[in-house]
Amino acid sequence: EAQVTQNPRYLITVTGKKLTVTCSQNMNHEYMSWYRQDPGLGLRQIYYSMNVEVTDKGDVPEGYKVSRKEKRNFPLILESPSPNQTSLYFCASSFRGSGQPQHFGDGTRLSIL
Amino acid sequence: AQSVAQPEDQVNVAEGNPLTVKCTYSVSGNPYLFWYVQYPNRGLQFLLKYITGDNLVKGSYGFEAEFNKSQTSFHLKKPSALVSDSALYFCAVRDYQNTDKLIFGTGTRLQVFP
Repeated sequence: EAQVTQNPRYLITVTGKKLTVTCSQNMNHEYMSWYRQDPGLGLRQIYYSMNVEVTDKGDVPEGYKVSRKEKRNFPLILESPSPNQTSLYFCASSFRGSGQPQHFGDGTRLSIL
Repeated sequence: AQSVAQPEDQVNVAEGNPLTVKCTYSVSGNPYLFWYVQYPNRGLQFLLKYITGDNLVKGSYGFEAEFNKSQTSFHLKKPSALVSDSALYFCAVRDYQNTDKLIFGTGTRLQVFP
Protein backbone atom coordinates (compact mmCIF):
# COMPACT_ATOMS: atom_id res chain seq x y z
CA GLU A 1 0.00 0.00 0.00
CA ALA A 2 1.33 3.42 -0.98
CA GLN A 3 1.84 5.45 2.15
CA VAL A 4 3.79 7.99 4.14
CA THR A 5 4.62 6.74 7.63
CA GLN A 6 5.48 9.00 10.52
CA ASN A 7 6.70 8.01 13.96
CA PRO A 8 5.92 8.62 16.70
CA ARG A 9 2.27 9.64 16.39
CA TYR A 10 2.28 11.29 19.79
CA LEU A 11 5.10 12.57 21.98
CA ILE A 12 5.22 14.53 25.20
CA THR A 13 8.69 15.70 26.17
CA VAL A 14 10.52 18.46 27.98
CA THR A 15 12.34 21.58 26.86
CA GLY A 16 15.84 20.95 25.58
CA LYS A 17 15.63 17.18 25.10
CA LYS A 18 16.60 16.36 21.52
CA LEU A 19 14.05 14.44 19.52
CA THR A 20 13.64 13.05 16.03
CA VAL A 21 10.42 12.44 14.13
CA THR A 22 10.87 9.92 11.37
CA CYS A 23 9.16 9.97 7.99
CA SER A 24 9.29 7.26 5.36
CA GLN A 25 7.54 6.92 2.00
CA ASN A 26 7.31 3.88 -0.29
CA MET A 27 6.28 5.62 -3.52
CA ASN A 28 9.74 6.55 -4.83
CA HIS A 29 8.86 10.24 -4.57
CA GLU A 30 11.60 12.79 -5.11
CA TYR A 31 9.98 15.63 -3.19
CA MET A 32 9.43 15.50 0.56
CA SER A 33 8.33 18.18 2.94
CA TRP A 34 7.60 18.86 6.60
CA TYR A 35 4.73 21.05 7.75
CA ARG A 36 3.41 22.18 11.07
CA GLN A 37 -0.29 22.75 11.60
CA ASP A 38 -1.46 25.30 14.14
CA PRO A 39 -5.03 26.52 14.75
CA GLY A 40 -5.91 29.51 12.63
CA LEU A 41 -2.63 29.32 10.70
CA GLY A 42 -3.20 26.35 8.42
CA LEU A 43 -0.14 24.38 7.34
CA ARG A 44 3.23 26.06 7.19
CA GLN A 45 6.23 24.49 5.53
CA ILE A 46 9.26 23.90 7.74
CA TYR A 47 11.78 22.26 5.37
CA TYR A 48 11.65 20.48 2.06
CA SER A 49 13.82 18.24 -0.04
CA MET A 50 13.84 17.94 -3.82
CA ASN A 51 15.94 14.78 -3.80
CA VAL A 52 18.62 12.90 -1.92
CA GLU A 53 21.11 15.25 -0.24
CA VAL A 54 19.13 18.31 -1.42
CA THR A 55 17.26 20.15 1.34
CA ASP A 56 16.16 23.73 1.84
CA LYS A 57 14.34 25.94 4.30
CA GLY A 58 10.63 26.49 4.12
CA ASP A 59 8.71 29.30 5.77
CA VAL A 60 9.32 28.44 9.44
CA PRO A 61 12.66 26.60 9.69
CA GLU A 62 13.97 28.06 12.97
CA GLY A 63 14.67 25.40 15.59
CA TYR A 64 14.48 22.47 13.16
CA LYS A 65 16.90 20.39 11.14
CA VAL A 66 16.39 17.75 8.46
CA SER A 67 18.44 15.32 6.45
CA ARG A 68 17.84 13.30 3.29
CA LYS A 69 20.41 10.53 3.08
CA GLU A 70 18.06 8.10 1.37
CA LYS A 71 15.22 8.78 -1.02
CA ARG A 72 12.55 7.21 1.17
CA ASN A 73 13.44 8.85 4.52
CA PHE A 74 13.22 12.45 5.65
CA PRO A 75 13.59 12.81 9.43
CA LEU A 76 12.78 16.01 11.28
CA ILE A 77 15.13 16.85 14.14
CA LEU A 78 14.48 19.19 17.04
CA GLU A 79 17.86 19.57 18.71
CA SER A 80 16.67 21.72 21.62
CA PRO A 81 12.86 21.73 21.61
CA SER A 82 11.00 24.65 23.12
CA PRO A 83 7.31 25.05 24.09
CA ASN A 84 6.58 27.14 20.97
CA GLN A 85 7.31 24.02 18.92
CA THR A 86 4.28 22.29 20.42
CA SER A 87 2.24 21.53 17.34
CA LEU A 88 0.88 18.94 14.93
CA TYR A 89 3.49 17.94 12.36
CA PHE A 90 2.95 16.39 8.94
CA CYS A 91 5.34 14.85 6.49
CA ALA A 92 4.36 14.82 2.82
CA SER A 93 5.83 13.51 -0.40
CA SER A 94 5.19 13.76 -4.13
CA PHE A 95 6.74 13.33 -7.52
CA ARG A 96 8.34 16.50 -8.80
CA GLY A 97 6.54 18.63 -11.34
CA SER A 98 3.79 21.20 -11.15
CA GLY A 99 0.43 19.84 -10.30
CA GLN A 100 1.57 16.68 -8.57
CA PRO A 101 -0.61 16.02 -5.51
CA GLN A 102 1.18 15.56 -2.22
CA HIS A 103 0.66 12.48 -0.06
CA PHE A 104 0.56 13.07 3.68
CA GLY A 105 1.39 11.02 6.72
CA ASP A 106 -1.11 10.80 9.58
CA GLY A 107 0.69 13.37 11.67
CA THR A 108 2.76 13.60 14.84
CA ARG A 109 1.41 15.54 17.78
CA LEU A 110 4.28 16.99 19.79
CA SER A 111 3.90 18.56 23.21
CA ILE A 112 6.97 20.32 24.61
CA LEU A 113 6.65 21.10 28.32
CA ALA B 1 3.28 36.75 -3.03
CA GLN B 2 1.01 33.81 -3.62
CA SER B 3 -1.76 33.16 -1.12
CA VAL B 4 -5.14 31.58 -0.65
CA ALA B 5 -7.91 32.73 1.66
CA GLN B 6 -10.68 30.65 3.16
CA PRO B 7 -13.06 33.24 4.57
CA GLU B 8 -15.17 30.86 6.65
CA ASP B 9 -13.79 29.06 9.69
CA GLN B 10 -16.81 26.78 9.75
CA VAL B 11 -19.63 25.84 7.43
CA ASN B 12 -22.75 24.08 8.69
CA VAL B 13 -25.12 22.25 6.38
CA ALA B 14 -27.92 19.74 6.74
CA GLU B 15 -27.47 16.28 5.28
CA GLY B 16 -28.84 16.10 1.75
CA ASN B 17 -28.41 19.82 1.09
CA PRO B 18 -25.80 21.21 -1.28
CA LEU B 19 -22.60 22.49 0.25
CA THR B 20 -20.05 25.12 -0.74
CA VAL B 21 -16.68 25.78 0.87
CA LYS B 22 -15.14 29.01 -0.34
CA CYS B 23 -11.59 29.75 -1.45
CA THR B 24 -10.08 32.80 -3.12
CA TYR B 25 -6.55 33.06 -4.39
CA SER B 26 -3.87 35.59 -5.23
CA VAL B 27 -1.09 34.42 -7.55
CA SER B 28 1.39 35.54 -10.16
CA GLY B 29 0.68 33.85 -13.45
CA ASN B 30 -1.69 30.98 -14.00
CA PRO B 31 -2.88 29.34 -10.79
CA TYR B 32 -2.53 25.67 -9.96
CA LEU B 33 -5.18 25.07 -7.29
CA PHE B 34 -5.90 22.15 -5.00
CA TRP B 35 -8.38 20.98 -2.40
CA TYR B 36 -7.49 18.61 0.42
CA VAL B 37 -9.60 17.07 3.19
CA GLN B 38 -8.47 16.18 6.69
CA TYR B 39 -10.44 13.71 8.78
CA PRO B 40 -9.84 13.50 12.56
CA ASN B 41 -6.44 12.07 13.49
CA ARG B 42 -5.48 11.66 9.85
CA GLY B 43 -3.28 13.45 7.37
CA LEU B 44 -4.53 15.52 4.47
CA GLN B 45 -6.01 13.66 1.54
CA PHE B 46 -6.02 15.03 -1.99
CA LEU B 47 -9.52 15.72 -3.38
CA LEU B 48 -9.03 17.50 -6.69
CA LYS B 49 -6.95 20.03 -8.59
CA TYR B 50 -7.25 22.63 -11.31
CA ILE B 51 -4.38 23.25 -13.69
CA THR B 52 -5.98 24.19 -16.97
CA GLY B 53 -9.02 23.39 -19.08
CA ASP B 54 -12.61 23.02 -17.95
CA ASN B 55 -13.51 25.40 -15.13
CA LEU B 56 -15.52 22.69 -13.36
CA VAL B 57 -13.23 20.05 -11.88
CA LYS B 58 -14.53 16.76 -10.52
CA GLY B 59 -12.78 14.94 -7.71
CA SER B 60 -13.07 12.23 -5.12
CA TYR B 61 -16.14 11.40 -2.98
CA GLY B 62 -18.51 13.34 -5.27
CA PHE B 63 -16.82 16.70 -4.73
CA GLU B 64 -16.27 19.24 -7.47
CA ALA B 65 -14.78 22.70 -7.62
CA GLU B 66 -15.44 25.66 -9.86
CA PHE B 67 -12.57 27.82 -11.04
CA ASN B 68 -13.55 31.44 -11.66
CA LYS B 69 -10.74 33.56 -13.02
CA SER B 70 -12.56 36.90 -12.89
CA GLN B 71 -13.45 36.40 -9.22
CA THR B 72 -10.14 34.64 -8.41
CA SER B 73 -12.09 31.91 -6.68
CA PHE B 74 -11.98 28.14 -6.49
CA HIS B 75 -14.98 27.08 -4.41
CA LEU B 76 -15.50 23.46 -3.41
CA LYS B 77 -18.99 22.07 -3.92
CA LYS B 78 -21.08 18.96 -3.50
CA PRO B 79 -24.71 18.60 -4.60
CA SER B 80 -25.83 16.54 -1.60
CA ALA B 81 -23.89 16.55 1.68
CA LEU B 82 -23.34 13.46 3.81
CA VAL B 83 -22.67 13.35 7.55
CA SER B 84 -19.43 11.55 6.68
CA ASP B 85 -18.27 14.67 4.77
CA SER B 86 -17.75 16.41 8.11
CA ALA B 87 -14.05 17.25 8.18
CA LEU B 88 -11.50 20.04 7.80
CA TYR B 89 -11.00 21.26 4.24
CA PHE B 90 -7.93 23.05 2.93
CA CYS B 91 -7.49 25.01 -0.26
CA ALA B 92 -3.94 25.30 -1.62
CA VAL B 93 -2.10 27.00 -4.47
CA ARG B 94 1.19 26.11 -6.12
CA ASP B 95 4.03 28.47 -5.29
CA TYR B 96 5.02 30.25 -8.50
CA GLN B 97 8.74 30.31 -7.70
CA ASN B 98 9.10 26.93 -5.99
CA THR B 99 6.74 24.94 -8.15
CA ASP B 100 6.74 21.81 -5.98
CA LYS B 101 5.60 23.79 -2.94
CA LEU B 102 1.98 24.25 -1.92
CA ILE B 103 0.71 27.25 0.00
CA PHE B 104 -2.27 26.35 2.16
CA GLY B 105 -5.23 28.31 3.41
CA THR B 106 -6.20 28.28 7.07
CA GLY B 107 -8.83 25.61 6.61
CA THR B 108 -12.63 25.44 6.86
CA ARG B 109 -14.38 23.02 9.16
CA LEU B 110 -17.43 21.48 7.50
CA GLN B 111 -20.11 20.18 9.82
CA VAL B 112 -22.95 18.19 8.25
CA PHE B 113 -25.93 17.65 10.54
CA PRO B 114 -28.28 14.65 10.20
